[in-house]
Amino acid sequence: DQQVKQNSPSLSVQEGRISILNCDYTNSMFDYFLWYKKYPAEGPTFLISISSIKDKNEDGRFTVFLNKSAKHLSLHIVPSQPGDSAVYFCAPYTDKLIFGTGTRLQVFP
Amino acid sequence: KAGVTQTPRYLIKTRGQQVTLSCSPISGHRSVSWYQQTPGQGLQFLFEYFSETQRNKGNFPGRFSGRQFSNSRSEMNVSTLELGDSALYLCASRYDLRTGSEQYFGPGTRLTVT
Repeated sequence: DQQVKQNSPSLSVQEGRISILNCDYTNSMFDYFLWYKKYPAEGPTFLISISSIKDKNEDGRFTVFLNKSAKHLSLHIVPSQPGDSAVYFCAPYTDKLIFGTGTRLQVFP
Repeated sequence: KAGVTQTPRYLIKTRGQQVTLSCSPISGHRSVSWYQQTPGQGLQFLFEYFSETQRNKGNFPGRFSGRQFSNSRSEMNVSTLELGDSALYLCASRYDLRTGSEQYFGPGTRLTVT
């Protein structure tokens, strides 16, 4: 069973605009969440994390929002840049990372 | 500081054979985890080693095994290869086992089983 779902397999956004990537999870015990970015032929790279004691965490152009009651996270990238084109994974951490299905983001000029 | 390195980067094996993959963590990192990425199942956790001990294991058959050496380098072994084992195998290292201890991934080993 898929505990972590990213329902949009792909997303296309114009450069300079906001990219919003969504993630839903089923296990209410998850309390620490990470976002990773992956380019082809490379391993995932850590982007940003959030603990369940917060509902928002910002790091530069990246902001993650957590709605625990809805079991929903979102990653906002503002402004989007062509170099952000990659696959993004949401990953709750328990005693291991549980990766979502991924969303392929394409940022076009 | 050098990143996580994995060898080999690409590998082709025949069904029934066995394979060993290697991972060298970032200097000072004592934990190494292994993940499998396939188009059908996505990224799935295999196991994690810390101080030469397996700390956690994912839902994979016993054909998948690993070990960690005293210098924190890790190897993963898959015996009696099946076509479905074709995947990208990723290794990740981190300093310790704390929740906030960030995992750094290597570039992966692409295994093709024919």
